[in-house]
Amino acid sequence: AQRVTQPEKLLSVFKGAPVELKCNYSYSGSPELFWYVQYSRQRLQLLLRHISRESIKGFTADLNKGETSFHLKKPFAQEEDSAMYYCALSNQAGTALIFGKGTTLSVSS
Amino acid sequence: EPEVTQTPSHQVTQMGQEVILRCVPISNHLYFYWYRQILGQKVEFLVSFYNNEISEKSEIFDDQFSVERPDGSNFTLKIRSTKLEDSAMYFCASSPRVKETQYFGPGTRLLVL
Repeated sequence: AQRVTQPEKLLSVFKGAPVELKCNYSYSGSPELFWYVQYSRQRLQLLLRHISRESIKGFTADLNKGETSFHLKKPFAQEEDSAMYYCALSNQAGTALIFGKGTTLSVSS
Repeated sequence: EPEVTQTPSHQVTQMGQEVILRCVPISNHLYFYWYRQILGQKVEFLVSFYNNEISEKSEIFDDQFSVERPDGSNFTLKIRSTKLEDSAMYFCASSPRVKETQYFGPGTRLLVL
């Protein structure tokens, strides 16, 4: 079964601290993974996808097929990074996204 | 930058009533989607739509749900006879092609009393 697990409901860090938001997936085949972010009172928006291998707003995520993980990392958190972060997996046909439950990141000064 | 829009932003309805949620996808996108998020739970896929046909649907998308593209711009989700458990945030999304980034609308919050 295709599944995305985000084990942390809430992650609280201080400004300038490193951040790692965990995501594990269950999928047979080559997965396509995404991180979406939802800032307060805004829509879900794509942060990054693994095939593009970009760094957006200082965030990176590496697909680790051995550990079936796609953790989101940032070396120095900023207060404006406070938001809800969702890891998502595309189904094989590419016609649906399977979301994790989301992690709220709270960055305080 | 073009965005997906959704109307209304909030809807309150009585159990058993029909509701229609409206979405205007980004104009050159070909794939359209509906998702829902019950309060405190994860975002769940409902249905995807391409070329005037459903291309994928989840087990949540039963006979009480239907989707339609009534004209060249709107994409609608109809719930025929609402139940209390249909109360959720409903998100519309669109993508240029399959397997491309999905762009989400702001959502419609549906409350069934």
